[in-house]
Amino acid sequence: DSGVTQTPKHLITATGQRVTLRCSPRSGDLSVYWYQQSLDQGLQFLIQYYNGEERAKGNILERFSAQQFPDLHSELNLSSLELGDSALYFCASSGGGVGEQFFGPGTRLTVL
Amino acid sequence: GQNIDQPTEMTATEGAIVQINCTYQTSGFNGLFWYQQHAGEAPTFLSYNVLDGLEEKGRFSSFLSRSKGYSYLLLKELQMKDSASYLCAVGSGGSYIPTFGRGTSLIVHP
Repeated sequence: DSGVTQTPKHLITATGQRVTLRCSPRSGDLSVYWYQQSLDQGLQFLIQYYNGEERAKGNILERFSAQQFPDLHSELNLSSLELGDSALYFCASSGGGVGEQFFGPGTRLTVL
Repeated sequence: GQNIDQPTEMTATEGAIVQINCTYQTSGFNGLFWYQQHAGEAPTFLSYNVLDGLEEKGRFSSFLSRSKGYSYLLLKELQMKDSASYLCAVGSGGSYIPTFGRGTSLIVHP
């Protein structure tokens, strides 16, 4: 158990819909990272937050957004969902500097 | 940008040794990570190399050559539970965000 929690574990929805994925980092970790993993793309970095502020952006679509709250939990919002958004979404946390990231169990999103 | 290359799939026998290679091209290298990921599960950290040389941690060792843009993960005394995907990830520039390779799927058979 990495100490990072994610909810929900599975999510099935339809095209055009909007969903919110939730992540709670390990106790004491200020950084939260979101990744998307699909079969054909591997693990792709989406966005990082550090202590409530956006720190880095990766290959995140404009239809996707995220935020980190004062209690350090984070939410990833995916809107106008497309079939291609079906993937595993991982949240990871770390202390903020270079070093290992601790990954949550992931949310499997299926868009029908 | 970054280019990370690792074999797609490898097979090995239980009890044997296997070496998974990773080559990369990047500017401003600041470290190389190896993660293990079982199917449908979260990646888990194995190692982090920032200096050249071999780092050993139990049955797993990781090697780095910065001048060659090359790393390998060595797994000894293979067990069936080592069947998983092994992800090489490279940190670069001022970013501490590693870029992940596509992963090497290791199949350990009896």
